[in-house]
Amino acid sequence: DTGVSQDPRHKITKRGQNVTFRCDPISEHNRLYWYRQTLGQGPEFLTYFQNEAQLEKSRLLSDRFSAERPKGSFSTLEIQRTEQGDSAMYLCASSSPGQQTGTQYFGPGTRLLVL
Amino acid sequence: GESVGLHLPTLSVQEGDNSIINCAYSNSASDYFIWYKQESGKGPQFIIDIRSNMDKRQGQRVTVLLNKTVKHLSLQIAATQPGDSAVYFCAENPSRAGGTSYGKLTFGQGTILTVHP
Repeated sequence: DTGVSQDPRHKITKRGQNVTFRCDPISEHNRLYWYRQTLGQGPEFLTYFQNEAQLEKSRLLSDRFSAERPKGSFSTLEIQRTEQGDSAMYLCASSSPGQQTGTQYFGPGTRLLVL
Repeated sequence: GESVGLHLPTLSVQEGDNSIINCAYSNSASDYFIWYKQESGKGPQFIIDIRSNMDKRQGQRVTVLLNKTVKHLSLQIAATQPGDSAVYFCAENPSRAGGTSYGKLTFGQGTILTVHP
């Protein structure tokens, strides 16, 4: 499978715990995006990487959230001291330098439930 | 603030009918629009896109129409099939100063399309 992959697919945690999600983009895609999606809503942009540089962060990304892409390939999204309001689907997407930036290929997402 | 929204949250059609899903946008700076399909338990899947300098674009069984005058976008699906049942999102990609864009997509709420055999 050469699509975007995310791990884990599901995560249940208790409030106050830290969680980390991983995204592996399509090979050679230099742009990587994180979105958050709650039930019945469209995805909301969180942050964007071009290679290893984090170029934009949404105001939705509070201080408890941090994302990295250290080698310009896979990325991780960490949420510290999780809150119930963090429960959502976390989607990763990637795009190729030869395409429109809006042509993004999404992974299956990581569904987070904070109890 | 600027937003992208949908007129109809649900749409039910019979197999073989044509479907039309509508979307309104308000950010006049957007220069690129995309339709995504999302099936249950999956991430959004790219369907078709259109630049703001076009008013129509056709793909396989799908057509996107853009009316910049009224800031309206529509997705037409011909001969709808049960496999088309999903949530459909329109998204806009605002351009930035200098014409660049990061791909910071703004999605609408979504329309649930149900196709009955």
